[in-house]
Amino acid sequence: SAVISQKPSRDICQRGTSLTIQCQVDSQVTMMFWYRQQPGQSLTLIATANQGSEATYESGFVIDKFPISRPNLTFSTLTVSNMSPEDSSIYLCSVSKYNEQFFGPGTRLTVL
Amino acid sequence: KQEVTQIPAALSVPEGENLVLNCSFTDSAIYNLQWFRQDPGKGLTSLLLIQSSQREQTSGRLNASLDKSSGRSTLYIAASQPGDSATYLCAVGDSGSARQLTFGSGTQLTVLP
Repeated sequence: SAVISQKPSRDICQRGTSLTIQCQVDSQVTMMFWYRQQPGQSLTLIATANQGSEATYESGFVIDKFPISRPNLTFSTLTVSNMSPEDSSIYLCSVSKYNEQFFGPGTRLTVL
Repeated sequence: KQEVTQIPAALSVPEGENLVLNCSFTDSAIYNLQWFRQDPGKGLTSLLLIQSSQREQTSGRLNASLDKSSGRSTLYIAASQPGDSATYLCAVGDSGSARQLTFGSGTQLTVLP
């Protein structure tokens, strides 16, 4: 399995500001994924992040709004930029290991 | 594009009952299927992983089946307990290199003591 931690666990932010979420894995992994879960909804994939290359974004998500870094095989960050109340969600990172996906505890973001 | 549907959306049962959660998907060309549990405001816990070549997987009181040709999976929970109360999510892994998951909308289970 994989043990994943995220920081912060929750935050309340003002409209127009940015928040960077960190994801740390206890072992080296090739692929890391960032998901969004809006209130009462299921998970939607934002992007796939491989170390050493640009992240691949899903339809509806753009790099200017959700820049991602992947500096090494155990760490990634997701920034939510120029936030609006519609960005209030739980943001989760996950990793694929032996073809099974494991998830972090999530970051609960509220934008006022 | 893969679509995953879970029925029912919510389920309430008395403690001790056996129950079945259903998951269906539109594209049978899958790599694998995972069942997750999510407690309110928390992340996801992987319960069972079924590879596309497998028919079922078991872990304790949980049994998941996969019928790829008909695009269906079920999660069977035996002798339910109040601690089983959570949202159960089905996710289908695609056959591409990224093994991206497409999630269903979940079944919210409440087990009454």
